[in-house]
Order: sequence, then structure tokens, then C-alpha cells
Amino acid sequence: DAKTTQPTSMDCAEGRAANLPCNHSTISGNEYVYWYRQIHSQGPQYIIHGLKNNETNEMASLIITEDRKSSTLILPHATLRDTAVYYCIVRVAVFGNEKLTFGTGTRLTIIP
Amino acid sequence: AAGVIQSPRHLIKEKRETATLKCYPIPRHDTVYWYQQGPGQDPQFLISFYEKMQSDKGSIPDRFSAQQFSDYHSELNMSSLELGDSALYFCASSVGVEGTEAFFGQGTRLTVV
Repeated sequence: DAKTTQPTSMDCAEGRAANLPCNHSTISGNEYVYWYRQIHSQGPQYIIHGLKNNETNEMASLIITEDRKSSTLILPHATLRDTAVYYCIVRVAVFGNEKLTFGTGTRLTIIP
Repeated sequence: AAGVIQSPRHLIKEKRETATLKCYPIPRHDTVYWYQQGPGQDPQFLISFYEKMQSDKGSIPDRFSAQQFSDYHSELNMSSLELGDSALYFCASSVGVEGTEAFFGQGTRLTVV
């Protein structure tokens, strides 16, 4: 699976949009980009995923560049409950190679 | 909505004892994943099963074994426990693997004393 690079930490003011970048310059054509977050010792929480197109759900938006070498997770109106470690994961997801490989992630702190 | 259920939530064992962790996937999910997260570390993949067959394998110690049963629940068996096995153990489940999202349980905190 391709490796990802994320900032170690970020701050965002409550109520503002939080934009979390991720570089995955070695991503293959059949690899998806997944975002998860983990709030202190809880189970990782699925946020969103995509292959080529931008995606949006009730939690966030995922913007993938046209060359797919980087992506941005957008939390449109950050709240204090969004404070967590955010993981960007690329995953080929075929039988025998379906694991999600967690890297270091970005520790996002929402500031009141 | 139903989530992934793990039991027990907390477990304390002594060195050299055995432990069994259980995972009940979301209904109709056929794929189960196991992860280990040590203190201050990121989750590390151990093993996964699809339709009751082992499908992917990570850095799972030989002392650990796992299986998925006919009702799709899974058990992680850990023998000859060591102090370093103290960690959070997460289970996740998904429908198939390709292009699908995996949902995690709340974990089992294993403490080896």
C-alpha cells in the first residue's frame, strides 16, 4: 500500500472549516483514499473515502487532486468534539490485501 | 444502527496466561479485521478474515491465533501472555473488501500483570 504523509498536528478555531491535507504521491490507480479519526482510545471512526472523485457525506468532504497524489479532508464547521487524531490511509482493498494501514496521523485540536 | 460489538471491554490477565477476545460484526458483514494498539502507538493490523477464511495477515505473533465462525463472529486467542501484550485490541467489520468502509468496535483493553 502507498504511504501517506500528514502534518503531525494542526489547530482550528471552533466553527471554522478544518482542512487536513494528506500526500500520497505513490498511490496506485486501484487504491482508495480513506479517512478515519480516533478520539482518545476509542475505536477508529470511519469518516469518508474516495477513489477519484470528490466525495461528501454528513461528516465531511474529501477533495482528491486530479493526479490523485494528494487529498484534503474538510470538516466544514469544526466543533470541540472533532478534536482527534485523523488518519489518511490508502488502501487497495482486494482479497488478501484488504488491511487498513494506520500511519502517524494528524492530531487536530479544535480551539474554543 | 447496530455496531461492532467486542467483549470483554476490559480484561486483566497474568503473564503466561491465555486470553480470548470476541468480536461480533455488524449484521451482514462478512469481513472481520483485528488490530492491536499499544500505549501511545497507532493501531497495528494483526489479521483479517473474509467469509470465514483468513485473508490478510500482519505482524501477528505466533502465540496469537484467530478464526471466524459460521455466524461471522471472530475470536482472537492469545497464549503465553507477555507484559508487552498489554494494549487495546480493536475489531472492525465490513461487507466484502473492495471499495467498502470498515467500522470499528470500541475495543478490548487487555492488561497483563
